[in-house]
Amino acid sequence: AQSVTQLDSHVSVSEGTPVLLRCNYSSSYSPSLFWYVQHPNKGLQLLLKYTSAATLVKGINGFEAEFKKSETSFHLTKPSAHMSDAAEYFCVVRGGGNKLTFGTGTQLKVEL
Amino acid sequence: GAVVSQHPSWVICKSGTSVKIECRSLDFQATTMFWYRQFPKQSLMLMATSNEGSKATYEQGVEKDKFLINHASLTLSTLTVTSAHPEDSSFYICSARGAGGFYNEQFFGPGTRLTVL
Repeated sequence: AQSVTQLDSHVSVSEGTPVLLRCNYSSSYSPSLFWYVQHPNKGLQLLLKYTSAATLVKGINGFEAEFKKSETSFHLTKPSAHMSDAAEYFCVVRGGGNKLTFGTGTQLKVEL
Repeated sequence: GAVVSQHPSWVICKSGTSVKIECRSLDFQATTMFWYRQFPKQSLMLMATSNEGSKATYEQGVEKDKFLINHASLTLSTLTVTSAHPEDSSFYICSARGAGGFYNEQFFGPGTRLTVL
């Protein structure tokens, strides 16, 4: 079975500083991993996905994530946070039957 | 492309009534649709998977008689919460997966906020 663990439930950064949202995965085979963002009372938007191609994945809005098999990690980063980045972020692993298993989420707060 | 809509976006109902939520894929054919439930400040939990023309497959612990899912066409799936009670209040989100180039990704709807009084 697949699972993901988001290591921080809340992250707070200042605008213009780097963002790091941590995610570790567990999978019995090479996983497909995703990061989604959810703004309040909105649906989910795909930021980026890893599907066994390049280990450094670039997404929308300046986000990127690096798949590290040796560390079973898929951390999300952004060089410079913007106020509009404040939202809930979910790390997700895809399993059999295209089922998605969501992490518990990380609430990102961006302060002036 | 790959837009999924949900209707209504929010609904308030009295305890004991039934509520139907629609999920539509607007510009692709959704061979599979998924229904999720999200409690406040929590993650999404998969409730059921439905393939067009087939009975839905429910996750463990989800009452199939309580949450009726119909996927009658390639662009529409409905979730009916029967005899709703306050504990059914939640944010319900659907996603859709298509064929071909849309196969390997789920596209999410904007969600429906259900409040049962």
